[in-house]
Amino acid sequence: QPDLTQPPSASGTPGQRVTISCSGSASNIGNNAVNWYQQLPGAAPKVLILNDNQRPSGVPGRFSGSRSGTSASLAISGLQSEDEADYHCASWDDTLDGWLFGGGTKLTVL
Amino acid sequence: QVQLQQSGPGLVQPSETLSLTCTFSGGAFNSHYYMWIRQPAGKALEWLGHIRYSGRVNFNPSLRSRINMSIDKSKQQISLELTSVTAADTALYYCASSGLLTGNQAWGQGTVVRVSS
Repeated sequence: QPDLTQPPSASGTPGQRVTISCSGSASNIGNNAVNWYQQLPGAAPKVLILNDNQRPSGVPGRFSGSRSGTSASLAISGLQSEDEADYHCASWDDTLDGWLFGGGTKLTVL
Repeated sequence: QVQLQQSGPGLVQPSETLSLTCTFSGGAFNSHYYMWIRQPAGKALEWLGHIRYSGRVNFNPSLRSRINMSIDKSKQQISLELTSVTAADTALYYCASSGLLTGNQAWGQGTVVRVSS
């Protein structure tokens, strides 16, 4: 059972806005920033969002992140077929003194 | 652009030692710390541990008795060893680097490791 909770699946139609949630606790999301990763089929995870809401170079502005309390969210606007992938959240955990990952959310573009 | 290239065997015998290597290129080796992460088929990513340029390590408590990491500065490589493996250690293993100033990460291509006789 992952320590960060994500919905197992999400879906949307092209052009729609979808959000994916990530729920943790005081020792991780409540006190530390969240990263989001996109994992295309057969590929390694790629960083989409760093430090709650920063997009690395090359990541489209359609992707945005936010954090409040012990939860975080990834929003994807203007959904495209190539966004179909698994999305993972991660946060440093002060008790573990290491990274915790969510269980991943499989996004389907209908 | 930082790149990480993983190498190591894809099949390990039960009770033996899993050994993987990750070679860094395209940036300042001493400006990052390095992690190993694994993903069993259909399951979540799991942080195994990380190693800093100084050699200081942090391991996931669930693996602390079986895991080791090392760093070879001359070759810009980091290595993972996991001893006494069982079928439960079968997974896709990744190395990753994290920039000390930016937090930006690069991931290796992944290595499928199967524990089987």
